[in-house]
Amino acid sequence: DGGITQSPKYLFRKEGQNVTLSCEQNLNHDAMYWYRQDPGQGLRLIYYSQIVNDFQKGDIAEGYSVSREKKESFPLTVTSAQKNPTAFYLCASSTTGGTGANVLTFGAGSRLTVL
Amino acid sequence: ILNVEQSPQSLHVQEGDSTNFTCSFPSSNFYALHWYRWETAKSPEALFVMTLNGDEKKKGRISATLNTKEGYSYLYIKGSQPEDSATYLCASQPRSGGGADGLTFGKGTHLIIQP
Repeated sequence: DGGITQSPKYLFRKEGQNVTLSCEQNLNHDAMYWYRQDPGQGLRLIYYSQIVNDFQKGDIAEGYSVSREKKESFPLTVTSAQKNPTAFYLCASSTTGGTGANVLTFGAGSRLTVL
Repeated sequence: ILNVEQSPQSLHVQEGDSTNFTCSFPSSNFYALHWYRWETAKSPEALFVMTLNGDEKKKGRISATLNTKEGYSYLYIKGSQPEDSATYLCASQPRSGGGADGLTFGKGTHLIIQP
């Protein structure tokens, strides 16, 4: 079945450590996205990529980094510079990232807790 | 950043009753309105994407309407069932943003169906 796989589902990190969240899709979608969810807030866009080897900052990119070396993969690194990293992270993809009402397909999410 | 508001924040409905909730969004520079359903421990899934004023879409017992001139969308559920319990997210996509990278999500309406 086509879909998006995020791993790990739960992750604990000590302060000062970088962690990388994995996102893989087999939908042949061009565009991929990372969102963050905090209690009482809407989903906020961290980074997005419309094509391999290219990505753009979203609304809250500070303290995060991404890469897009393969169409299927869009890992997110939460660096020690991210001041408040404890959150739920959702990866998504869409057929294209250009103009158009592109429907998002989401993964099941990764919950990161900083101890 | 656009302001997308959803109301109510949470809703308890008796099984078999019908219900509706609202998404309001800035009507200027509007391109598309997305609705997603997010069940606990699952991935958010797309319900509807609407672009035209007066659009009405239906999927089984769930339907949605769109008023782009006044900037609101209603989601209706007829004859609520326990499996309808979920958080319903709406997201507004502006014309200038282009593609799904421009989506602004509301905080969601958390719907609980009581048997």
